[in-house]
Amino acid sequence: AQTVTQSQPEMSVQEAETVTLSCTYDTSESNYYLFWYKQPPSRQMILVIRQEAYKQQNATENRFSVNFQKAAKSFSLKISDSQLGDTAMYFCAFRDDKIIFGKGTRLHILP
Amino acid sequence: DAGITQSPRHKVTETGTPVTLRCHQTENHRYMYWYRQDPGHGLRLIHYSYGVKDTDKGEVSDGYSVSRSKTEDFLLTLESATSSQTSVYFCAISHSTGEAFFGQGTRLTVV
Repeated sequence: AQTVTQSQPEMSVQEAETVTLSCTYDTSESNYYLFWYKQPPSRQMILVIRQEAYKQQNATENRFSVNFQKAAKSFSLKISDSQLGDTAMYFCAFRDDKIIFGKGTRLHILP
Repeated sequence: DAGITQSPRHKVTETGTPVTLRCHQTENHRYMYWYRQDPGHGLRLIHYSYGVKDTDKGEVSDGYSVSRSKTEDFLLTLESATSSQTSVYFCAISHSTGEAFFGQGTRLTVV
């Protein structure tokens, strides 16, 4: 069965700093998708970034980028120039058929 | 999430009573999912559907059943609610590939 592991339950960084959230996954599939979702206190689930496994190039969305290492089954999220509004729970997710989530990392951006 | 509606948004019920949560979509997405979110556990997949009358179990399916008689509706039923099923429940939809889009969540309390 596929699993997703986020090893950092909670992190805090100063505003404007760069922070990296870790995610590893386990699968025997070769074609799949990976995602990072953000959940602010409003509880809404917001897609941050997506990565198709067949693409070698790492995905980037403005201040958010990923380091996708397929052989190592690693998918970390880097947030550059962090802002107070980035404070949220962040979930890593894996999809082949169904979509499986990690337990999340609670990120605090400190003023 | 404008195309996904969960109902009810909040519910308090007594132990042993049946409860049905509804997820309705207007996006004609093939896949629909039910997750529960609990502190320290992230989002855990209960059941999912890949088409009308096509459903499969997720990680935490015990005590839950689902039905999908129409593309737009996916029902989650707790046959006999228990206190351990107190949680926030999320419905999500997706195409055959790519990311999921989430509803606003239903807070269920079993007393």
